[in-house]
Amino acid sequence: DTAVSQTPKYLVTQMGNDKSIKCEQNLGHDTMYWYKQDSKKFLKIMFSYNNKELIINETVPNRFSPKSPDKAHLNLHINSLELGDSAVYFCASSQDLLGGDEQYFGPGTRLTVT
Amino acid sequence: QKEVEQDPGPLSVPEGAIVSLNCTYSNSAFQYFMWYRQYSRKGPELLMYTYSSGNKEDGRFTAQVDKSSKYISLFIRDSQPSDSATYLCAMRKAAGNKLTFGGGTRVLVKP
Repeated sequence: DTAVSQTPKYLVTQMGNDKSIKCEQNLGHDTMYWYKQDSKKFLKIMFSYNNKELIINETVPNRFSPKSPDKAHLNLHINSLELGDSAVYFCASSQDLLGGDEQYFGPGTRLTVT
Repeated sequence: QKEVEQDPGPLSVPEGAIVSLNCTYSNSAFQYFMWYRQYSRKGPELLMYTYSSGNKEDGRFTAQVDKSSKYISLFIRDSQPSDSATYLCAMRKAAGNKLTFGGGTRVLVKP
């Protein structure tokens, strides 16, 4: 039974398109995150939500918009995709804000923009 | 210069050898330190965390923190082929829950 799941696993799209990635966790956690991992494996936080409230919003282009319909789901919508958006996007969750050191990651969504 | 530096490797060792990994960081505000393991095409998983200078052991794994030198290490004893993965260090400041990750070191344990 998958703890943190993401869909889709792979996404190939053209520049200028709009796409969404979905994330769900069944761990009962309060806090969820989006990370971007580039080709050099650097994992960088993008957003963090706690109980549907935005907590961390790093310097991310406003083409990226997260949405948390409930505390078990955190989706990422990307407008006007650019070549530089190609990366692996990971969703993660932690029990709460204080438990943020132990984060459970999803399998990742490999986004390729052509 | 990145806040957290990690040699990307790859680090290739024979089975049974000790694997030694390290990270250096520049910001003395980092107080809490973690090691995550990431297998190919998977998400990272927490391996160890430590909140103070000194050593922490868990089975074959030992995490070491030297805050005065801004240097952390992970040692894997009796390495196995199943330890082949990328190891990411992560750290955070006392306030907040934002983790800053190193770029990871790829480890290959050969049978």
